[in-house]
Amino acid sequence: GESVGLHLPTLSVQEGDNSIINCAYSNSASDYFIWYKQESGKGPQFIIDIRSNMDKRQGQRVTVLLNKTVKHLSLQIAATQPGDSAVYFCAEKGGGGSNYKLTFGKGTLLTVNP
Amino acid sequence: EPEVTQTPSHQVTQMGQEVILRCVPISNHLYFYWYRQILGQKVEFLVSFYNNEISEKSEIFDDQFSVERPDGSNFTLKIRSTKLEDSAMYFCASKGDTMNTEAFFGQGTRLTVV
Repeated sequence: GESVGLHLPTLSVQEGDNSIINCAYSNSASDYFIWYKQESGKGPQFIIDIRSNMDKRQGQRVTVLLNKTVKHLSLQIAATQPGDSAVYFCAEKGGGGSNYKLTFGKGTLLTVNP
Repeated sequence: EPEVTQTPSHQVTQMGQEVILRCVPISNHLYFYWYRQILGQKVEFLVSFYNNEISEKSEIFDDQFSVERPDGSNFTLKIRSTKLEDSAMYFCASKGDTMNTEAFFGQGTRLTVV
């Protein structure tokens, strides 16, 4: 069946360091992936997305890498700041033939130490 | 910046009572969603709505749940007879007219069933 999961539940980094958050997915039919950030008490906030025909996409301080061979997705945050502290979810679309729903992973808690 | 708004922010209800959670999606969006997040767990898909009908729903979305877009701006989720296990954060989301674009989430309604 479809699943989206994360390798590590928590990640602690020093301010200014780069952060890498990983995600594994199992459905090769997934055609679109999104990283969301969720701060305490708030809804998921879009960070960056990538389509399955791409390997890499860059945004402001963030980069998403997609390795379809091993069904792996990663989010890289450059020069991590205290404001980056949050839970990060990867989400996929297209699992099981769905064209509508997003399937979320369990989330990684990123803590940035000043 | 346009945003998805949800009301109320917190709803406490007695078991067996009906609740209606309200959402105002972003005005030019065409796809609407409800997700829920039980405390400490991942975000789970409930239902998607497009062209005035349900396009997909999960196993969670049983006969006790219904959605409606009564007036072209609001999008509601009704739970007819709440159960204790319905306690969760409920997020509304919407997205535009292109399949592979990000969904924007509201801040959520915290539903507590007592």
